[in-house]
Amino acid sequence: GESVGLHLPTLSVQEGDNSIINCAYSNSASDYFIWYKQESGKGPQFIIDIRSNMDKRQGQRVTVLLNKTVKHLSLKIAATQPGDSAVYFCAETKTGGNKLTFGTGTQLKVEL
Amino acid sequence: DAGITQSPRYKITETGRQVTLMCHQTWSHSYMFWYRQDLGHGLRLIYYSAAADITDKGEVPDGYVVSRSKTENFPLTLESATRSQTSVYFCASSEGGAATNEKLFFGSGTQLSVL
Repeated sequence: GESVGLHLPTLSVQEGDNSIINCAYSNSASDYFIWYKQESGKGPQFIIDIRSNMDKRQGQRVTVLLNKTVKHLSLKIAATQPGDSAVYFCAETKTGGNKLTFGTGTQLKVEL
Repeated sequence: DAGITQSPRYKITETGRQVTLMCHQTWSHSYMFWYRQDLGHGLRLIYYSAAADITDKGEVPDGYVVSRSKTENFPLTLESATRSQTSVYFCASSEGGAATNEKLFFGSGTQLSVL
C-alpha cells in the first residue's frame, strides 16, 4: 500500500526578516540545551547552547531563549539570509549524562 | 582540516548481508557516537564510546555492533541487515569529559539502503 511520509514543520520567512524557531523539550531534569543546523546532505552543525542557569544567550545573529517553567526553547535568527535555509534541531541533556535527546526538527525556508 | 569523516557516503545492500560503516576523526576526541536519522524520529543514538575499548548502548542498539580499538576510529557494523535499518547514519565526536554530549561534531553521514 501507499505510505504516507511525515513532514517536518516548516517556517517560511522573507530574507532580512527575523526567524523564530520553537522547541518544547521533554525532560524537566535536562540542564543543557543545544541548537543544531542541518543543511541538505550534511551532518548537523552546532549553532549555540545554553545552560539551565541562564534564560538567554546571544551569539552572532542568533539568540537562544530558555523558559524552564514551560519547558520551552526558542532560537531567534536575526536578519535571516538564504544561507540560513536548513533544518534546525533542538537537543537536550543532563550534564554528564550519556543521552542527548533531539527534537524532530523544523525546516526553515528563506524566501528572496 | 579533516575533522570527522564517514565512508561510504552511500551504500546499497541486501537483507541479511553484513555491512560496516566507517568513521574516522582527527581531533583525538575522547567520545564518539553513532546516530541514525529517520523522518519523524529525528536523531537516535545507537552506540557511543567514551574512549578506546569502551563502548555502551544507546537508545536503539539492536542489530548493530561497534568497536573502538583506536581512538580515531569507530566503525559500526550491521551484522545481518534488515529493511528497517534503511536510514541515514551519522557519526559524531566530542571532547567529552564530564560533558559527554556537549558540542557534538558530526560527519556528513552515510545513506544506507537495505533492499
